[in-house]
Amino acid sequence: NAGVTQTPKFQVLKTGQSMTLQCAQDMNHNSMYWYRQDPGMGLRLIYYSASEGTTDKGEVPNGYNVSRLNKREFSLRLESAAPSQTSVYFCASINRGLVNEQFFGPGTRLTVL
Amino acid sequence: AQSVTQLGSHVSVSEGALVLLRCNYSSSVPPYLFWYVQYPNQGLQLLLKYTSAATLVKGINGFEAEFKKSETSFHLTKPSAHMSDAAEYFCAVSDNFGNEKLTFGTGTRLTIIP
Repeated sequence: NAGVTQTPKFQVLKTGQSMTLQCAQDMNHNSMYWYRQDPGMGLRLIYYSASEGTTDKGEVPNGYNVSRLNKREFSLRLESAAPSQTSVYFCASINRGLVNEQFFGPGTRLTVL
Repeated sequence: AQSVTQLGSHVSVSEGALVLLRCNYSSSVPPYLFWYVQYPNQGLQLLLKYTSAATLVKGINGFEAEFKKSETSFHLTKPSAHMSDAAEYFCAVSDNFGNEKLTFGTGTRLTIIP
């Protein structure tokens, strides 16, 4: 099992550009999450998906959109990137109904100039 | 709303000394509590979790944490620090009513002094 994979690992964008961060898990988990990590602020939830076809906003959803393409994949899109979106983005997954660990991907380091 | 507070954004200890990382929680319902570790340039990895089965929880790499309801605390300890323990540590909380969303603390960076 590869666990949770994320692409790309690094990305530099100019203000106003768009891009999609990809996330996939091979553990047959129901729920998937997108977080951003900023220094001194811990991890903040952007969006989550409790099951295929459903998505909900988290703590900091503005400027982002998500798609739960199927059970395996959960993508995060920045339509018009801003410098405030410079961050490290983590995807995670968990089996719904089980109080268990969230499995995290390795992260995408995004810089918006 | 749930929250966690981690006291001390940076903690330094000597190799072989006791590690104590503090976490206090706020929750209106019985919480589930977690400690995660993040090594440089990596994702988060679960160290241990409290789910009401036992108040003293043992995790990986010799870490343990004790749930103290009276103090609303879930501090992380390790008797003897090792150089490989240098990392950032996050405390997190979720409720136990099927809500899997985690609320994270701001993290504590642990430095080990040789």
